[in-house]
Amino acid sequence: GAVVSQHPSWVICKSGTSVKIECRSLDFQATTMFWYRQFPKQSLMLMATSNEGSKATYEQGVEKDKFLINHASLTLSTLTVTSAHPEDSSFYICSASGASGRLDEQFFGPGTRLTVL
Amino acid sequence: SQQGEEDPQALSIQEGENATMNCSYKTSINNLQWYRQNSGRGLVHLILIRSNEREKHSGRLRVTLDTSKKSSSLLITASRAADTASYFCATDAGGYNKLIFGAGTRLAVHP
Repeated sequence: GAVVSQHPSWVICKSGTSVKIECRSLDFQATTMFWYRQFPKQSLMLMATSNEGSKATYEQGVEKDKFLINHASLTLSTLTVTSAHPEDSSFYICSASGASGRLDEQFFGPGTRLTVL
Repeated sequence: SQQGEEDPQALSIQEGENATMNCSYKTSINNLQWYRQNSGRGLVHLILIRSNEREKHSGRLRVTLDTSKKSSSLLITASRAADTASYFCATDAGGYNKLIFGAGTRLAVHP
């Protein structure tokens, strides 16, 4: 149980386009979802925290107008990278918490590799 | 956000040997978690240890926590080539259930 999926698993896009990444909790209702970015051989950096039905809270230095987060339901959050540029190329990972009996834990999706040409 | 420190950054061992990774953090925590990440993949949760626990085991994994020193260690015994991965500690020091990740240790286990 407590499975999180992400779609797509990888995406290549042209500079200036927007890309949407979906994060779904498959077998539990995620009260909170988190979005992380990971550059090669580095650790995960939290970008934002989103709660269902409310605005996301962004970490310092993360542009909220560039990284649009929508948490429309208890099982789905989306991250849209707007006007993507090559420096946005990274591995984006979501996680979700709220699984019954395991509220302390975050369950991670498999990640989405974004390459901006 | 502040990250914890992990050492070593990289560790290379032979199959059958034990691997020890250390993690230090800066602020009070309620729990600390260890994750594994295979190259280019998502994170796999290994162990959660609460602040009132000192040691926890799961199969070949042993985690210790010393809150007075703000440090934790992950020991993998009798390592296997399949243990090759990056290992991260994460604390809930961010508040609101946010995780703060350490820099990670890249473990390579050679057959």
